[in-house]
Amino acid sequence: QSVLTQPPSASGTPGQRVTISCSGSGSNIGSNTVNWYRQLPGTAPKLLIYTNSQRPSGVPDRFSGSKSATSASLAISGLQSDDEADYYCATWDDSLSGWVFGGGTKLTVL
Amino acid sequence: EVQLVESGGGLVKPGGSLRLSCAASGFTLGGYSMIWVRQAPGKRLEWVSSISSTSGYKYYAASVRGRFTISRDNAENSLYLQMNSLRDEDTAVYFCARGSGPRPVPTGDWFDPWGQGTRVTVSS
Repeated sequence: QSVLTQPPSASGTPGQRVTISCSGSGSNIGSNTVNWYRQLPGTAPKLLIYTNSQRPSGVPDRFSGSKSATSASLAISGLQSDDEADYYCATWDDSLSGWVFGGGTKLTVL
Repeated sequence: EVQLVESGGGLVKPGGSLRLSCAASGFTLGGYSMIWVRQAPGKRLEWVSSISSTSGYKYYAASVRGRFTISRDNAENSLYLQMNSLRDEDTAVYFCARGSGPRPVPTGDWFDPWGQGTRVTVSS
């Protein structure tokens, strides 16, 4: 059971907008910034969004992040076939004194 | 090119030990916090341990506390994870990743890039 709750799967058709949610609590998302990582099968995770809504250089503006209270969201607009991947949210948890990751959301482009 | 390369994984019996290494290149390791994260087959990412740029703080997941030790040698541009008393449930791919800078506390950090991972299998 993950401390951060993500839907196990999400899907959309090319060109659509999809949103992936990440629900936590006051000791994690409620108190700290959220990062999002993307992982293709058999590869290392890659930073997608940091500090709730910032995009690293090279990440297209189709990807956006937001945070409100104890929840965060990742939105992907203009869905493309190569967006198929696993997406993870992560943040620091003050009560656990450690990093916590969501359970991951597998995105399928139909 | 900024790069992290893990090594030291392998097959080990329950109760055994392994030492993982993470070699950094293309940047000065001493300027950054570092993290170890693992992923069991078909499972989610799980944080293992974190260390600040000067080793001023070290944190461990409850599942490994007392068995694993994180360390770094900034002069050698290397990060380590000493794993003792290994259990079946420690079987995973272990990734190292670089933090965002010399943060004195872990809050607000993020991790990029990540190494390709090294596989640890604990089995009799």
